[in-house]
Amino acid sequence: AQTVTQSQPEMSVQEAETVTLSCTYDTSENNYYLFWYKQPPSRQMILVIRQEAYKQQNATENRFSVNFQKAAKSFSLKISDSQLGDTAMYFCAFSPGGGADGLTFGKGTHLIIQP
Amino acid sequence: DVKVTQSSRYLVKRTGEKVFLECVQDMDHENMFWYRQDPGLGLRLIYFSYDVKMKEKGDIPEGYSVSREKKERFSLILESASTNQTSMYLCASSLDLTASSGNTIYFGEGSWLTVV
Repeated sequence: AQTVTQSQPEMSVQEAETVTLSCTYDTSENNYYLFWYKQPPSRQMILVIRQEAYKQQNATENRFSVNFQKAAKSFSLKISDSQLGDTAMYFCAFSPGGGADGLTFGKGTHLIIQP
Repeated sequence: DVKVTQSSRYLVKRTGEKVFLECVQDMDHENMFWYRQDPGLGLRLIYFSYDVKMKEKGDIPEGYSVSREKKERFSLILESASTNQTSMYLCASSLDLTASSGNTIYFGEGSWLTVV
């Protein structure tokens, strides 16, 4: 079974700062996918970024980027130039390469962006 | 855009009642999922389905069942609701792995269930 660990229950930074959310996972799979989801107060889960394990290049989406360290089983999310709208719960998630089994989630990090 | 619709956003039910949570997706996705979300526990998978009439247990299936009679619809059933099933329930769907966006899962807005 896979496990996903987010060690920071809550983080708070000032607007425009850069913040990094940590995530580690444990798996015996070689092919898998990793995700960061954002859940704002509306509760709608929004995909922020995804990474395929066989790709060495770190994924980026505008202000969001990841640092994927496959050997260390680490998948951190960096948010640059943070904005008030980034305030949300952030969940790291894992999906095995086999696909249809759903995601295993971490317990989440509550990120607060202060004005 | 992918649309996953959970018809009931807020429900209050009595202990022992049978509860149906309905979910519909409009993008012809093969895979559908039910999660529950509780503070400090993240999201936990209850059941999933990879085809019509197929279902698989997730991590916490006890007290729940599911039904998938049509590809677009996946129902979560609480046969006899209990207070420890008070939670937010999230439905999700995804394309088959062979699609270019393989494994990306899209979520509904959630159903808040309170059992009293």
